[in-house]
Amino acid sequence: NAGVMQNPRHLVRRRGQEARLRCSPMKGHSHVYWYRQLPEEGLKFMVYLQKENIIDESGMPKERFSAEFPKEGPSILRIQQVVRGDSAAYFCASSLSTGLQETQYFGPGTRLLVL
Amino acid sequence: KNEVEQSPQNLTAQEGEFITINCSYSVGISALHWLQQHPGGGIVSLFMLSSGKKKHGRLIATINIQEKHSSLHITASHPRDSAVYICAVAGNQFYFGTGTSLTVIP
Repeated sequence: NAGVMQNPRHLVRRRGQEARLRCSPMKGHSHVYWYRQLPEEGLKFMVYLQKENIIDESGMPKERFSAEFPKEGPSILRIQQVVRGDSAAYFCASSLSTGLQETQYFGPGTRLLVL
Repeated sequence: KNEVEQSPQNLTAQEGEFITINCSYSVGISALHWLQQHPGGGIVSLFMLSSGKKKHGRLIATINIQEKHSSLHITASHPRDSAVYICAVAGNQFYFGTGTSLTVIP
């Protein structure tokens, strides 16, 4: 049973470009969470999604960031017009059922570097 | 003020020592998680607990809901335990501590 997969593992973008980060949850998991870890800082919650629904996006920046989890395929975190401050590690986690009290399984992360 | 505070921030121990990492939180929660982040960056969920105590091998986690405090203990520590240990609480969303960086010296 493959774990949570994220790709790419490393992504380099120039300022103003778009970054697309993909997350495939564990088999059978329909709940996905995205977190950001800025350099020298702790993890911060960004968004919680179920299939085709955004449940909680209170941690998402208001502009340039969006997330989706379609019926088929991976969850996508999209960052438009990236800036240097977006450089961070972005982690995805999945859980089997609803609620923040469920065990979450983390992917290896995508390290985004904005030049 | 952070919703989750961990102590210590950094910890160095000799192999075999008993280690305690503390976590205090200020929000109402439904569960508390302990995570382990290895130097390569990968994150593993160690425990999820809402009351009492859990044990996996040499790791023990306890929580006191009334005092809003949790501890992670490592018995007979080993160099492979060297990692960052992160406390996260599930309130209306996830709040993370800044982590405790543990180094176990052979």
